[in-house]
Amino acid sequence: KAGVTQTPRYLIKTRGQQVTLSCSPISGHRSVSWYQQTPGQGLQFLFEYFSETQRNKGNFPGRFSGRQFSNSRSEMNVSTLELGDSALYLCASSLWGVYSGGYTFGSGTRLTVV
Amino acid sequence: QQQVKQSPQSLIVQKGGISIINCAYENTAFDYFPWYQQFPGKGPALLIAIRPDVSEKKEGRFTISFNKSAKQFSLHIMDSQPGDSATYFCAAQGDYKLSFGAGTTVTVRA
Repeated sequence: KAGVTQTPRYLIKTRGQQVTLSCSPISGHRSVSWYQQTPGQGLQFLFEYFSETQRNKGNFPGRFSGRQFSNSRSEMNVSTLELGDSALYLCASSLWGVYSGGYTFGSGTRLTVV
Repeated sequence: QQQVKQSPQSLIVQKGGISIINCAYENTAFDYFPWYQQFPGKGPALLIAIRPDVSEKKEGRFTISFNKSAKQFSLHIMDSQPGDSATYFCAAQGDYKLSFGAGTTVTVRA
């Protein structure tokens, strides 16, 4: 079956712009999470959604937001981009998010802010 | 603060050798402990995972050892192969999120 699909794969944006990243989970998976990966901070949790409800949010500024649609697809948005937002943004999906055999990650969106 | 501490940062092992990566956690509310393998340009892939009521789990050449009282767990890669060269992350799951260790870069020399 198809894995977690993230689009686009690469993105270059200018400081101050905003960006929207998209994630399609594995069919049947209802939990979608987002993570930021950087060489300095490693993998950091952004937020988790289940059935369109945010169940947890990481320690990121309000410029980072997300949402989940009724078909479980998810988007995350970063407004007023800063140079430090350059990172690999990873989406992960799971059946329920707990006791469900772990999360499956997509290949990520590489965001570069110039 | 880092909720999961991972060591070493990197290791080099000869083909056929054993790689050992250690992790420690503080939050006793964590209820699932997965290990992920990541290759350059790819997202992390689930390798093996364990629940805290189990002390050891083996899948092929990969074994997790779990010590609940010490709040430590480790990954053993037996008979290491060049294809195992990757970055390995331990993680702890709880409250609908994964807390990751900093990662260990494993290099297997042929």
